[in-house]
Amino acid sequence: GENVEQHPSTLSVQEGDSAVIKCTYSDSASNYFPWYKQELGKRPQLIIDIRSNVGEKKDQRIAVTLNKTAKHFSLHITETQPEDSAVYFCAASMGRDDKIIFGKGTRLHILP
Amino acid sequence: EPEVTQTPSHQVTQMGQEVILRCVPISNHLYFYWYRQILGQKVEFLVSFYNNEISEKSEIFDDQFSVERPDGSNFTLKIRSTKLEDSAMYFCASSVAMGGTEAFFGQGTRLTVV
Repeated sequence: GENVEQHPSTLSVQEGDSAVIKCTYSDSASNYFPWYKQELGKRPQLIIDIRSNVGEKKDQRIAVTLNKTAKHFSLHITETQPEDSAVYFCAASMGRDDKIIFGKGTRLHILP
Repeated sequence: EPEVTQTPSHQVTQMGQEVILRCVPISNHLYFYWYRQILGQKVEFLVSFYNNEISEKSEIFDDQFSVERPDGSNFTLKIRSTKLEDSAMYFCASSVAMGGTEAFFGQGTRLTVV
């Protein structure tokens, strides 16, 4: 089955700097890659997603890139703000299958 | 904005007891899921449900677990005989279409088995 690896597990960046979180997936049949933000004690919330027919997608300060050949995808957050502090999960899903497989998460700390 | 709702928000139960976690998916959604998250760990897939039957289940979803859609709105997860290691946050999710469409998560039920 699909396996999603995510790193780093913890990331600290100065407010205003950029943060990058990287993930790899194992099954080339995966075609949907959502990113979730989870604040302490809350539900995972979708912040951006990308499909396998697209290489890059941007939404304000957040961007995702996908390299299908290498089976890598990344989340980029620019101009980080204190409210960006949370746990971020990458995930992958296959078109023929409906479950979402999550990475282990990255705890992002934005330092003042 | 429509959302997935779950009840209760927190459930404490004794080991060996049965629990039922309840979810009301978004009304026009067709696919329903349960995930669990042990404290500090990743979100793990348990089961997916479509057209009144299980589409897929993970190895976590053993014989002590069952799901049901008893009426047109509720989607339940039953744990027959709870174990200490069942303590986790359980999230219900729903989506309109399979594989490639956003899954909306409920706020979760924190299950504590004592």
